[in-house]
Amino acid sequence: AQKITQTQPGMFVQEKEAVTLDCTYDTSDPSYGLFWYKQPSSGEMIFLIYQGSYDQQNATEGRYSLNFQKARKSANLVISASQLGDSAMYFCAMREGGGYQKVTFGTGTKLQVIP
Amino acid sequence: GAGVSQTPSNKVTEKGKYVELRCDPISGHTALYWYRQSLGQGPEFLIYFQGTGAADDSGLPNDRFFAVRPEGSVSTLKIQRTERGDSAVYLCASSSFDRGPMDYGYTFGSGTRLTVV
Repeated sequence: AQKITQTQPGMFVQEKEAVTLDCTYDTSDPSYGLFWYKQPSSGEMIFLIYQGSYDQQNATEGRYSLNFQKARKSANLVISASQLGDSAMYFCAMREGGGYQKVTFGTGTKLQVIP
Repeated sequence: GAGVSQTPSNKVTEKGKYVELRCDPISGHTALYWYRQSLGQGPEFLIYFQGTGAADDSGLPNDRFFAVRPEGSVSTLKIQRTERGDSAVYLCASSSFDRGPMDYGYTFGSGTRLTVV
């Protein structure tokens, strides 16, 4: 089974609107961390936001928030007030266990912001 | 250094040749990771180091791939007898968990694009 599933290969959003990028995960480890990364066309991977499995509140970081629904094993990324510079690939990822363990990435969602 | 540095940024090699890819992590980051990203895919884990030792090499596809980190800082990914299927972007990342959640993410380098012809 896929550990990270991103079902939206591509998404469009109007500039200044909000957009939700879906991510579901699969793990039996009670301790895990969830991440979102942005990869612009230039290729670098940019860390956006992190949610720990024991965190009670949804993570937020500026215009990014993570809608964490533990029972449903979903960790959707919400980008508010989209900007043209948000056009990129977005990857959801998970680390199982604590510490320095490897991170498993999903296949990504390509977001295009329309002026 | 200020960021994770990877060299070379591009490498074209002939099938069957040996290549080395270098990663210089953020100073003080004890964890270092290698990933491979094929076109249209997410990064795929290869190996991670905690200090000088490989803590998890379960992602290395076969014995043609090897990585070292002899002094706990710079790492080299080595690929022997390259094949066309090895063509991908090889990403290096480093990590430290000394501070808050923002540091739970990796810092990636810009990658090395390897093309085997």
